[in-house]
Amino acid sequence: GEDVEQSLFLSVREGDSSVINCTYTDSSSTYLYWYKQEPGAGLQLLTYIFSNMDMKQDQRLTVLLNKKDKHLSLRIADTQTGDSAIYFCAESLRSSGSARQLTFGSGTQLTVLP
Amino acid sequence: DTAVSQTPKYLVTQMGNDKSIKCEQNLGHDTMYWYKQDSKKFLKIMFSYNNKELIINETVPNRFSPKSPDKAHLNLHINSLELGDSAVYFCASSLGTLTNEQYFGPGTRLTVT
Repeated sequence: GEDVEQSLFLSVREGDSSVINCTYTDSSSTYLYWYKQEPGAGLQLLTYIFSNMDMKQDQRLTVLLNKKDKHLSLRIADTQTGDSAIYFCAESLRSSGSARQLTFGSGTQLTVLP
Repeated sequence: DTAVSQTPKYLVTQMGNDKSIKCEQNLGHDTMYWYKQDSKKFLKIMFSYNNKELIINETVPNRFSPKSPDKAHLNLHINSLELGDSAVYFCASSLGTLTNEQYFGPGTRLTVT
């Protein structure tokens, strides 16, 4: 299967941490990605993690990967109003030949309350 | 210095018409993609070209025809537009086909009336 699942909505208070969760299906995924989409804009690559890693930290962002449970999470520390957006996780699946393609989750709408 | 650009940003047209969306990237990438995002924000790949060669062709009506004149451009032509074609169409590009670190354009919002 190629379903990547995320919860649709998350609300947090400014200054709190946000945790966005994602489950994926293909254990052969080599890279897993987090993208951010602000209103009326395209997707912006936030970070990615290689499948042989458990954790990756990049400033306020922490990605955790549990390969056994096929679970990926994105933690945003000290969440700001500018972090309000839709967050997509994506897994990289083999398509045809050597090509790989991204399969996206449904996106999680993060709302940061003042 | 826009990395991935699309034109037009908005497109409103009537059923049955034919329209094109253009995409250009100045990142030196060799792989380009078209995605469709529906009203529920679900994002699905449609096509991918690597060095002007079609490498991904998902189940898309043959009214949709991509064309890549060179590595920096990927256009999407849609014939006989239908109401269900209304969506936001995103172009993206990457270097190679393996890591999928893709960079997206701002999107083209297509409304078919």
